[in-house]
Amino acid sequence: NAGVMQNPRHLVRRRGQEARLRCSPMKGHSHVYWYRQLPEEGLKFMVYLQKENIIDESGMPKERFSAEFPKEGPSILRIQQVVRGDSAAYFCASSPISPDTGYGYTFGSGTRLTVV
Amino acid sequence: AQSVTQLDSQVPVFEEAPVELRCNYSSSVSVYLFWYVQYPNQGLQLLLKYLSGSTLVESINGFEAEFNKSQTSFHLRKPSVHISDTAEYFCAVTGAGSYQLTFGKGTKLSVIP
Repeated sequence: NAGVMQNPRHLVRRRGQEARLRCSPMKGHSHVYWYRQLPEEGLKFMVYLQKENIIDESGMPKERFSAEFPKEGPSILRIQQVVRGDSAAYFCASSPISPDTGYGYTFGSGTRLTVV
Repeated sequence: AQSVTQLDSQVPVFEEAPVELRCNYSSSVSVYLFWYVQYPNQGLQLLLKYLSGSTLVESINGFEAEFNKSQTSFHLRKPSVHISDTAEYFCAVTGAGSYQLTFGKGTKLSVIP
């Protein structure tokens, strides 16, 4: 049973370009979460999605960032017009049931975005 | 609102010595507590969690953590560390009815041969 798959593992973008990060949850998991890890910081919640629905995007920056989890295919985190401050590790996680039960997540290996 | 404080950013310890990684939290609701481990350039792996019941929880590789409600702590301990335990450890909290995990800033454990 494959874990949470994220690609690419490393992504380099020039300032002003778009970054698209993909996440395939574990088989049977319909809840997906995105977290960002800045250098020397813990992970910060960005967004929680279920198939075709954004449940909680309270951690997403108001501009340039968007996320989707379509009926078919992986979840996508999209960052438009990247700036150097977007450089971070972005982690996706999934769970089979709602996290407010305390079930916990399974994390992917992350995408490390570098903006040059 | 919830918060997590990991008091030590780095902990060096000799192989086979005991270790304690400290974690304190604050929350206005009943909590679920987690410890995750992150090896270099990898994702986070769940080490152990407290949901309810016994305040002492154990992992399969010898770590244990004790939930102390009065001190709002969830410290992680291991009686004898191995080189392979070198990693970064994150404490996290979520509350009943919450979707979000709130993480501490992490503690880097370095095991010295």
